[in-house]
Amino acid sequence: AQKITQTQPGMFVQEKEAVTLDCTYDTSDPSYGLFWYKQPSSGEMIFLIYQGSYDQQNATEGRYSLNFQKARKSANLVISASQLGDSAMYFCAMREGEASSYKLIFGSGTRLLVRP
Amino acid sequence: DSGVTQTPKHLITATGQRVTLRCSPRSGDLSVYWYQQSLDQGLQFLIQYYNGEERAKGNILERFSAQQFPDLHSELNLSSLELGDSALYFCASSPNPSTLEKLFFGSGTQLSVL
Repeated sequence: AQKITQTQPGMFVQEKEAVTLDCTYDTSDPSYGLFWYKQPSSGEMIFLIYQGSYDQQNATEGRYSLNFQKARKSANLVISASQLGDSAMYFCAMREGEASSYKLIFGSGTRLLVRP
Repeated sequence: DSGVTQTPKHLITATGQRVTLRCSPRSGDLSVYWYQQSLDQGLQFLIQYYNGEERAKGNILERFSAQQFPDLHSELNLSSLELGDSALYFCASSPNPSTLEKLFFGSGTQLSVL
């Protein structure tokens, strides 16, 4: 069974510093996709970044980058220059299933608090 | 704004009742996914529709059912509600479900069963 593990229930970071949120995954599929979502206190789920298993380079979207280490089965999210608005829950997710019926499975999340 | 619309935002009801949650996918998206987020179970996939047809089923209870209509909006019906059904229910849509490189979520419906 495929699985996503986020071992950090909560983290603090000082404003303007970088922070890394950990995510490890387990799959036997050669083709898979990894995602990060942000959930602020208002509740919506905001798509941040996607990494395909065959992508040669690490994905980046603005201040977000995904540190993809395939051999270690890790897909850590790096947020550079943290802002107060980055305080939220962050979820790692992985695509599973077949092409006609893909779905995402999610980790348990990491709560990030940015200190001023 | 993801473009996925969910109504209502909040729903308070009693045990044993039935409710309907509504979702409109992003313009142009043919797929709809339903997820449940609860404190004890986390984010759980319930069911997926594509152009009116059910494509995948997850941990959806028999008391729950869903459908996608010709105009592509979807409804999730929850019946014989129990206290444990209290959760945040999300709808999501994807521009390309065959690769699923992006999945956009609505703002959710917070269901409280009293």
